[in-house]
Amino acid sequence: DAGVTQSPTHLIKTRGQQVTLRCSPKSGHDTVSWYQQALGQGPQFIFQYYEEEERQRGNFPDRFSGHQFPNYSSELNVNALLLGDSALYLCASSLGSAGVTFGEQYFGPGTRLTVT
Amino acid sequence: AQTVTQSQPEMSVQEAETVTLSCTYDTSESDYYLFWYKQPPSRQMILVIRQEAYKQQNATENRFSVNFQKAAKSFSLKISDSQLGDAAMYFCAYRSGGGKLIFGQGTELSVKP
Repeated sequence: DAGVTQSPTHLIKTRGQQVTLRCSPKSGHDTVSWYQQALGQGPQFIFQYYEEEERQRGNFPDRFSGHQFPNYSSELNVNALLLGDSALYLCASSLGSAGVTFGEQYFGPGTRLTVT
Repeated sequence: AQTVTQSQPEMSVQEAETVTLSCTYDTSESDYYLFWYKQPPSRQMILVIRQEAYKQQNATENRFSVNFQKAAKSFSLKISDSQLGDAAMYFCAYRSGGGKLIFGQGTELSVKP
């Protein structure tokens, strides 16, 4: 049973460029959450997708956007990259529901983004 | 807003000894979940243990156990019989029903042979 996978592993971009990160959830999971982890810090919640809609959003600017596909995989897009966007981007999947309680979040290995 | 605080940036333990990592949190909610995650150098975030706020009994997973003090909003992790493979960054995290995880700053644990 494949766990959460993310691609690419590493990425180097220049300021002002745009980047797309990809995530495939664990088999059977339908909810994807994205986190940004700056060096030496704890992860910060970006947003969560369930049933192809953004369900929750953290305190991140509109430059950060996402998408969830019918197969539950997800993309994170960041426009107009800044040096401060350099971080490890983690994807986590879980089994959601129409209610409030969500299941455990399983994390992928992350994508290391470097902005020069 | 909910916050999670880990006041120990670094901790060290001798192999086979016991170590306790501290975590405090702040919330006005009554129903929530608390977690300890381990992040080794490979960066993969691994769930170590979880605690439901409505449960009075402290969670235990093999060598890992927690001391959950709801009134004090404290949630510490005890690692018994420490092993070299336990060396990692440990994060305390809070989650309400909505699914968003709020992490602390982390505690880097080193294990000395």
